[in-house]
Order: sequence, then C-alpha cells, then structure tokens
Amino acid sequence: SQQGEEDPQALSIQEGENATMNCSYKTSINNLQWYRQNSGRGLVHLILIRSNEREKHSGRLRVTLDTSKKSSSLLITASRAADTASYFCATAANSGNTPLVFGKGTRLSVIA
Amino acid sequence: EAGVTQFPSHSVIEKGQTVTLRCDPISGHDNLYWYRRVMGKEIKFLLHFVKESKQDESGMPNNRFLAERTGGTYSTLKVQPAELEDSGVYFCASSQERGKGGYTFGSGTRLTVV
Repeated sequence: SQQGEEDPQALSIQEGENATMNCSYKTSINNLQWYRQNSGRGLVHLILIRSNEREKHSGRLRVTLDTSKKSSSLLITASRAADTASYFCATAANSGNTPLVFGKGTRLSVIA
Repeated sequence: EAGVTQFPSHSVIEKGQTVTLRCDPISGHDNLYWYRRVMGKEIKFLLHFVKESKQDESGMPNNRFLAERTGGTYSTLKVQPAELEDSGVYFCASSQERGKGGYTFGSGTRLTVV
C-alpha cells in the first residue's frame, strides 16, 4: 500500500522564493528520506530524518518530521532554476533492510 | 567508493522484444533493490535481494519480469516480452546489512517500449 503521499503534486515558483513540499504516511516508520529526480534521470538522496528527530538541516534544505501527525515537510530556501525536479519522500519501516516506500512526488518548477 | 551502476542508461525497444537491465551494486552491499517509476507515477518497489536470494518479490508486476542475482554480485532484470506499459525508469539501489550507510540509488535505466 502507498505510504508517502506528497502534496502539492506540482508547484511552480519564482527563483529566489522558498518551496515547501509536504508528505504524509500511514504506518510507523524508522526514518523518512527525501529524494530528488531530475527529468528522466536518477534518484538523488537529499536528506534522512529519523523518527526520533523533529528537524534537520542540510544547506538550503530543511526537513521537519511530526510522527504524531505522520507527516513531514521539505523546505527549499532561496530556490534556483537548478532545483527544478521531482521530489519524493520515502519511508523506511525499520533501520534494517526493508524496502523504501515512496510517495507520488511533487513536481517543482523554479522559473528564472 | 564506486556508486551503484546501472546500464544501459536508456533503452528503446519494440513491443514484444526482450530487454535486460543490469545493476552493479556497491561492492560489499548484500541488499539490492529494484524499483520503477512508470509514466510519471509513483516510484514502486519491485523486489529485494539479500545476496543471491530473493527476500521479497511482492512488487514484481507479472511473470514477464525476471530478476536474478547470480553469485550475489550484480543483478539483472529481464522483461520478456516487453509491453507498452513497461515503459518507465527502472532504479536499482543497494545497502549494507542492517541498513548501515543507508540506501544508494543508481542513475536508473529509462526504458521506452514502442
């Protein structure tokens, strides 16, 4: 069954603005990860937040996790045209080897 | 260390033909996963190898798909015969035992069935 559900499905912003994407999931998780996929290319791991963490930063990325609401958000500050891509959240049920469960993704377009 | 390598990066085949995708995981990673994203939809899990054994193949769509990992090193995913709906991007990922170091994805193979 589908775990992560991102919203919005598509987001278009001007360069320099902030972009916020949300993800909800249904079952207990060990960690939640965000990935980026540039058009037709591979998945790039952006950031991982564990279930006992509430917020994490990496460069222009800020991720929050609310396990009580089973939701996460990804904030990209000062967006650039190069940030244009699809963004996916993925949940891991444990810290072991179970497969990741991905959401449908948010298509972000940053207009220069 | 070298990352996860997939090839070909892009394959265009006709309906009914056979295609074999290959994934070379990071050396020493026991766990290997196949995922795919079809027609801009969500990324879906296909199967999971632990070494050469299939741990979970619940995501394999039908018997036209066959995955192997001989010797527990690289893996192949064969689609035979290919159908139009098989078009999409096929991703491979690997991880160490017990998830140490997280998952590393390859760049994917874009499959186009015409």
